[in-house]
Amino acid sequence: GQSLEQPSEVTAVEGAIVQINCTYQTSGFYGLSWYQQHDGGAPTFLSYNALDGLEETGRFSSFLSRSDSYGYLLLQELQMKDSASYFCAAENQGGKLIFGQGTELSVKP
Amino acid sequence: DTAVSQTPKYLVTQMGNDKSIKCEQNLGHDTMYWYKQDSKKFLKIMFSYNNKELIINETVPNRFSPKSPDKAHLNLHINSLELGDSAVYFCASSGQGKSRETQYFGPGTRLLVL
Repeated sequence: GQSLEQPSEVTAVEGAIVQINCTYQTSGFYGLSWYQQHDGGAPTFLSYNALDGLEETGRFSSFLSRSDSYGYLLLQELQMKDSASYFCAAENQGGKLIFGQGTELSVKP
Repeated sequence: DTAVSQTPKYLVTQMGNDKSIKCEQNLGHDTMYWYKQDSKKFLKIMFSYNNKELIINETVPNRFSPKSPDKAHLNLHINSLELGDSAVYFCASSGQGKSRETQYFGPGTRLLVL
């Protein structure tokens, strides 16, 4: 089967750093994406890793280890507006995205 | 300048009815998708079209029928609606090559079947 595992919820304080892990089990793995979704909103793209290593985009970074079938999203200098659900999604070679269950991040003052 | 738009935003209807959701993208993308997000926020792909051709068809009841009149539009028709169809339906689109990595989602259609 195809599945992704990520924590259901994470809580952190403003200004802190938080890491959201994702392990995946999919056939024909091509790359790992991360999406952010605020309550009532649409998922929005954050990052994509096709190769092993770290990709940095401003306060957000994403990491992939293909040999470990593992990735993470790192959020630095947390702000209240970062409170949202974060989804990892594995892309297979057919272009299909399989989403994890999502991690609800709560940022406290 | 809306990139991916969907209508309607909200849809409340009775069991057994037939309804359609429309999606349009003005990004010039070749590929469009329909996703279903349930009450637990689980997001699952239903269909994908590339330049009007169906390329992904997940295990979805055949009451759901997508139609792509051109590459900028992907509509979803649902026959004989059931309670379990209540969910948020998202349309998305993506480009070719490296830009395929990013999917742009519409605002969603919140369907409630009574």
